[in-house]
Amino acid sequence: DTAVSQTPKYLVTQMGNDKSIKCEQNLGHDTMYWYKQDSKKFLKIMFSYNNKELIINETVPNRFSPKSPDKAHLNLHINSLELGDSAVYFCASTLEGGRGEQYFGPGTRLTVT
Amino acid sequence: AQRVTQPEKLLSVFKGAPVELKCNYSYSGSPELFWYVQYSRQRLQLLLRHISRESIKGFTADLNKGETSFHLKKPFAQEEDSAMYYCAPSNTGNQFYFGTGTSLTVIP
Repeated sequence: DTAVSQTPKYLVTQMGNDKSIKCEQNLGHDTMYWYKQDSKKFLKIMFSYNNKELIINETVPNRFSPKSPDKAHLNLHINSLELGDSAVYFCASTLEGGRGEQYFGPGTRLTVT
Repeated sequence: AQRVTQPEKLLSVFKGAPVELKCNYSYSGSPELFWYVQYSRQRLQLLLRHISRESIKGFTADLNKGETSFHLKKPFAQEEDSAMYYCAPSNTGNQFYFGTGTSLTVIP
């Protein structure tokens, strides 16, 4: 049983395209996150959702739009993809309102050509 | 401003040698502190959290509030410890700020 899953695992696309990454957790957690890990392995929080409500929106271009249809899902839609969007995107979730252990998904490696 | 610093981007030690990965934080309030590990091309996973005071895979970390540090230590490094390590303080408000990470290589 995978606790936090993401699809797809790999995504290769061209500049200007629109793509989505899906995330699901079956842990019953209330809070979910999206992180971006760049080529230097820097890990930066992008968004945080608590019970389907946006809590954190870090300095992220508005081409990135998270959507949470229910508290078990947090999807990330990216419009007009740019070369700099190439990275590994991790979804994560926590139970304790942001102070507990984070459970990470396997990551989605996005390559924009 | 919330800040977490891991001064060593790369760290290499020989197998069997002690290892220390440094983490300093600048945070308001009383953050909870975590170390996460990422093995090659895998997801991040929790290594330890300071409130549990557990030793995981031989690693320990002591919270020093005076120095605002949470260094990760292991007395005898193993090859399987080679990985990326992230220090991550968190506080209320659903905020996690990860350090820049330290890539540990254990040389056989």
